[in-house]
Amino acid sequence: EPEVTQTPSHQVTQMGQEVILRCVPISNHLYFYWYRQILGQKVEFLVSFYNNEISEKSEIFDDQFSVERPDGSNFTLKIRSTKLEDSAMYFCASRGRVRDNEQFFGPGTRLTVL
Amino acid sequence: TQLLEQSPQFLSIQEGENLTVYCNSSSVFSSLQWYRQEPGEGPVLLVTVVTGGEVKKLKRLTFQFGDARKDSSLHITAAQPGDTGLYLCAGKAQEYGNKLVFGAGTILRVKS
Repeated sequence: EPEVTQTPSHQVTQMGQEVILRCVPISNHLYFYWYRQILGQKVEFLVSFYNNEISEKSEIFDDQFSVERPDGSNFTLKIRSTKLEDSAMYFCASRGRVRDNEQFFGPGTRLTVL
Repeated sequence: TQLLEQSPQFLSIQEGENLTVYCNSSSVFSSLQWYRQEPGEGPVLLVTVVTGGEVKKLKRLTFQFGDARKDSSLHITAAQPGDTGLYLCAGKAQEYGNKLVFGAGTILRVKS
Protein backbone atom coordinates (compact mmCIF):
# COMPACT_ATOMS: atom_id res chain seq x y z
CA GLU A 1 0.00 0.00 0.00
CA PRO A 2 1.59 3.31 -1.06
CA GLU A 3 1.96 5.86 1.72
CA VAL A 4 3.06 9.40 2.41
CA THR A 5 6.43 9.63 4.13
CA GLN A 6 7.93 12.53 6.09
CA THR A 7 11.39 13.39 7.36
CA PRO A 8 12.66 14.05 9.89
CA SER A 9 10.33 12.50 12.43
CA HIS A 10 11.50 15.00 15.04
CA GLN A 11 13.26 18.35 14.54
CA VAL A 12 14.59 20.48 17.36
CA THR A 13 15.68 24.01 16.51
CA GLN A 14 16.51 27.33 18.12
CA MET A 15 14.12 30.25 17.80
CA GLY A 16 14.96 32.31 14.72
CA GLN A 17 16.47 29.42 12.79
CA GLU A 18 15.19 28.17 9.45
CA VAL A 19 13.78 24.67 9.15
CA ILE A 20 12.77 22.58 6.18
CA LEU A 21 10.32 19.76 6.62
CA ARG A 22 10.26 17.17 3.89
CA CYS A 23 7.51 15.00 2.49
CA VAL A 24 7.29 12.38 -0.22
CA PRO A 25 3.63 12.19 -1.31
CA ILE A 26 2.04 9.11 -2.85
CA SER A 27 3.60 8.81 -6.28
CA ASN A 28 0.60 9.32 -8.60
CA HIS A 29 -1.01 12.03 -6.47
CA LEU A 30 -1.24 15.58 -7.77
CA TYR A 31 -2.55 17.60 -4.82
CA PHE A 32 -0.42 18.24 -1.78
CA TYR A 33 -1.14 19.73 1.60
CA TRP A 34 0.47 20.77 4.86
CA TYR A 35 -1.36 20.77 8.17
CA ARG A 36 -0.19 21.38 11.70
CA GLN A 37 -1.40 20.19 15.06
CA ILE A 38 -0.31 22.02 18.19
CA LEU A 39 -0.23 19.66 21.16
CA GLY A 40 -3.75 19.03 22.41
CA GLN A 41 -5.37 21.07 19.68
CA LYS A 42 -7.14 20.45 16.37
CA VAL A 43 -5.46 19.62 13.11
CA GLU A 44 -5.27 22.91 11.20
CA PHE A 45 -4.94 23.45 7.46
CA LEU A 46 -1.89 25.44 6.36
CA VAL A 47 -1.63 25.27 2.58
CA SER A 48 -2.61 23.33 -0.51
CA PHE A 49 -0.44 22.99 -3.62
CA TYR A 50 -1.31 21.90 -7.13
CA ASN A 51 0.37 22.24 -10.50
CA ASN A 52 3.44 23.84 -8.92
CA GLU A 53 1.62 26.62 -7.19
CA ILE A 54 -0.25 27.35 -3.99
CA SER A 55 -3.98 26.91 -4.53
CA GLU A 56 -5.13 27.91 -1.06
CA LYS A 57 -3.56 28.98 2.23
CA SER A 58 -4.75 29.78 5.72
CA GLU A 59 -4.09 32.86 7.86
CA ILE A 60 -1.43 30.84 9.68
CA PHE A 61 0.59 30.52 6.48
CA ASP A 62 2.24 33.94 6.56
CA ASP A 63 5.43 35.24 4.91
CA GLN A 64 7.56 33.07 7.18
CA PHE A 65 6.24 29.95 5.47
CA SER A 66 6.90 28.68 1.98
CA VAL A 67 6.37 25.44 0.10
CA GLU A 68 8.19 23.93 -2.79
CA ARG A 69 8.19 20.87 -4.98
CA PRO A 70 11.88 20.87 -5.90
CA ASP A 71 11.72 17.65 -7.93
CA GLY A 72 9.20 15.03 -9.01
CA SER A 73 8.92 13.37 -5.63
CA ASN A 74 9.56 15.77 -2.73
CA PHE A 75 7.28 18.41 -1.26
CA THR A 76 8.81 20.71 1.35
CA LEU A 77 7.63 23.21 3.94
CA LYS A 78 10.11 25.88 4.96
CA ILE A 79 9.78 28.09 8.00
CA ARG A 80 12.26 30.96 7.62
CA SER A 81 12.60 32.22 11.17
CA THR A 82 11.00 29.88 13.66
CA LYS A 83 9.07 31.12 16.68
CA LEU A 84 8.26 29.28 19.89
CA GLU A 85 4.63 29.04 18.80
CA ASP A 86 5.64 27.13 15.67
CA SER A 87 6.24 24.09 17.87
CA ALA A 88 3.74 21.49 16.66
CA MET A 89 3.29 18.31 14.66
CA TYR A 90 3.38 19.07 10.95
CA PHE A 91 1.54 16.68 8.66
CA CYS A 92 1.86 16.39 4.92
CA ALA A 93 -1.05 14.95 2.95
CA SER A 94 -1.71 14.13 -0.67
CA ARG A 95 -4.61 13.12 -2.85
CA GLY A 96 -5.16 11.89 -6.37
CA ARG A 97 -7.75 12.71 -9.02
CA VAL A 98 -9.69 9.51 -8.51
CA ARG A 99 -11.33 9.36 -5.05
CA ASP A 100 -10.67 13.07 -4.95
CA ASN A 101 -12.28 13.62 -1.57
CA GLU A 102 -9.70 11.51 0.20
CA GLN A 103 -6.48 12.91 1.57
CA PHE A 104 -3.83 10.56 2.89
CA PHE A 105 -1.63 11.79 5.69
CA GLY A 106 2.00 11.17 6.51
CA PRO A 107 3.22 10.24 10.00
CA GLY A 108 4.19 13.82 10.78
CA THR A 109 7.26 15.75 11.87
CA ARG A 110 7.37 16.93 15.46
CA LEU A 111 8.94 20.41 15.44
CA THR A 112 10.24 21.73 18.75
CA VAL A 113 11.40 25.34 18.84
CA LEU A 114 13.51 26.25 21.87
CA THR B 1 -16.48 29.05 16.41
CA GLN B 2 -16.33 25.27 16.04
CA LEU B 3 -16.88 24.45 12.38
CA LEU B 4 -17.20 20.76 13.19
CA GLU B 5 -18.21 19.89 16.71
CA GLN B 6 -17.48 16.41 17.95
CA SER B 7 -19.08 14.75 20.95
CA PRO B 8 -18.30 13.36 23.35
CA GLN B 9 -14.78 14.67 23.80
CA PHE B 10 -13.78 11.62 25.79
CA LEU B 11 -15.33 8.17 26.11
CA SER B 12 -14.18 5.33 28.33
CA ILE B 13 -16.01 2.03 27.99
CA GLN B 14 -15.62 -1.66 28.68
CA GLU B 15 -14.72 -4.16 26.00
CA GLY B 16 -17.84 -5.47 24.27
CA GLU B 17 -19.91 -2.31 24.68
CA ASN B 18 -21.35 -0.34 21.79
CA LEU B 19 -20.76 3.36 21.32
CA THR B 20 -21.60 6.25 19.03
CA VAL B 21 -19.64 9.44 18.45
CA TYR B 22 -21.08 12.45 16.70
CA CYS B 23 -19.84 15.15 14.39
CA ASN B 24 -22.12 18.17 13.93
CA SER B 25 -22.05 21.43 12.05
CA SER B 26 -24.33 24.23 10.96
CA SER B 27 -22.64 24.10 7.54
CA VAL B 28 -23.34 21.78 4.64
CA PHE B 29 -20.40 19.59 3.71
CA SER B 30 -19.75 18.21 0.24
CA SER B 31 -17.87 15.32 1.80
CA LEU B 32 -16.94 14.16 5.24
CA GLN B 33 -14.14 11.90 6.34
CA TRP B 34 -13.49 9.98 9.53
CA TYR B 35 -9.91 9.46 10.60
CA ARG B 36 -8.28 7.63 13.48
CA GLN B 37 -5.11 9.02 15.01
CA GLU B 38 -2.69 7.33 17.38
CA PRO B 39 -0.46 9.44 19.66
CA GLY B 40 2.49 10.89 17.75
CA GLU B 41 1.23 9.66 14.39
CA GLY B 42 -0.70 11.05 11.46
CA PRO B 43 -4.45 10.66 10.94
CA VAL B 44 -5.38 7.42 9.13
CA LEU B 45 -8.38 7.62 6.84
CA LEU B 46 -11.22 5.25 7.77
CA VAL B 47 -14.02 6.30 5.45
CA THR B 48 -15.40 9.06 3.23
CA VAL B 49 -19.11 9.82 2.91
CA VAL B 50 -20.45 12.13 0.22
CA THR B 51 -24.19 11.50 -0.19
CA GLY B 52 -26.80 12.69 2.31
CA GLY B 53 -28.17 9.69 4.22
CA GLU B 54 -25.27 7.50 3.17
CA VAL B 55 -24.31 4.62 5.45
CA LYS B 56 -20.97 2.84 5.19
CA LYS B 57 -19.76 -0.14 7.17
CA LEU B 58 -16.20 -1.11 7.93
CA LYS B 59 -16.28 -4.34 9.95
CA ARG B 60 -17.67 -3.28 13.36
CA LEU B 61 -17.71 0.41 12.45
CA THR B 62 -20.80 2.02 10.90
CA PHE B 63 -20.61 5.55 9.53
CA GLN B 64 -23.62 7.65 8.64
CA PHE B 65 -23.88 10.99 6.86
CA GLY B 66 -26.90 13.08 7.78
CA ASP B 67 -29.61 13.68 5.18
CA ALA B 68 -28.78 17.40 5.10
CA ARG B 69 -25.02 16.69 5.00
CA LYS B 70 -24.46 18.73 8.16
CA ASP B 71 -23.70 15.91 10.54
CA SER B 72 -22.26 12.43 10.77
CA SER B 73 -21.98 9.63 13.27
CA LEU B 74 -19.63 6.74 13.90
CA HIS B 75 -21.03 3.71 15.67
CA ILE B 76 -18.78 0.94 16.95
CA THR B 77 -20.30 -2.42 17.84
CA ALA B 78 -18.69 -4.64 20.47
CA ALA B 79 -15.72 -2.34 21.05
CA GLN B 80 -12.31 -3.91 21.55
CA PRO B 81 -9.16 -2.52 23.22
CA GLY B 82 -7.64 -2.19 19.75
CA ASP B 83 -10.28 0.44 18.96
CA THR B 84 -8.68 2.79 21.48
CA GLY B 85 -7.56 6.03 19.85
CA LEU B 86 -8.54 9.52 18.75
CA TYR B 87 -11.36 9.64 16.20
CA LEU B 88 -11.48 12.74 14.03
CA CYS B 89 -14.10 13.91 11.60
CA ALA B 90 -13.06 16.26 8.83
CA GLY B 91 -14.90 17.72 5.91
CA LYS B 92 -14.99 20.07 2.97
CA ALA B 93 -17.58 22.81 2.75
CA GLN B 94 -17.85 25.38 0.00
CA GLU B 95 -17.94 28.28 2.45
CA TYR B 96 -14.51 27.26 3.77
CA GLY B 97 -12.89 26.94 0.38
CA ASN B 98 -11.43 23.65 -0.69
CA LYS B 99 -9.57 22.91 2.52
CA LEU B 100 -10.28 20.11 4.94
CA VAL B 101 -11.54 21.33 8.32
CA PHE B 102 -11.19 19.07 11.34
CA GLY B 103 -13.18 18.53 14.48
CA ALA B 104 -11.40 18.43 17.82
CA GLY B 105 -11.79 14.67 18.04
CA THR B 106 -13.20 12.07 20.39
CA ILE B 107 -10.72 10.18 22.56
CA LEU B 108 -11.94 6.60 22.92
CA ARG B 109 -10.57 4.26 25.53
CA VAL B 110 -11.73 0.66 25.57
CA LYS B 111 -10.82 -1.24 28.71
CA SER B 112 -10.43 -5.00 28.74
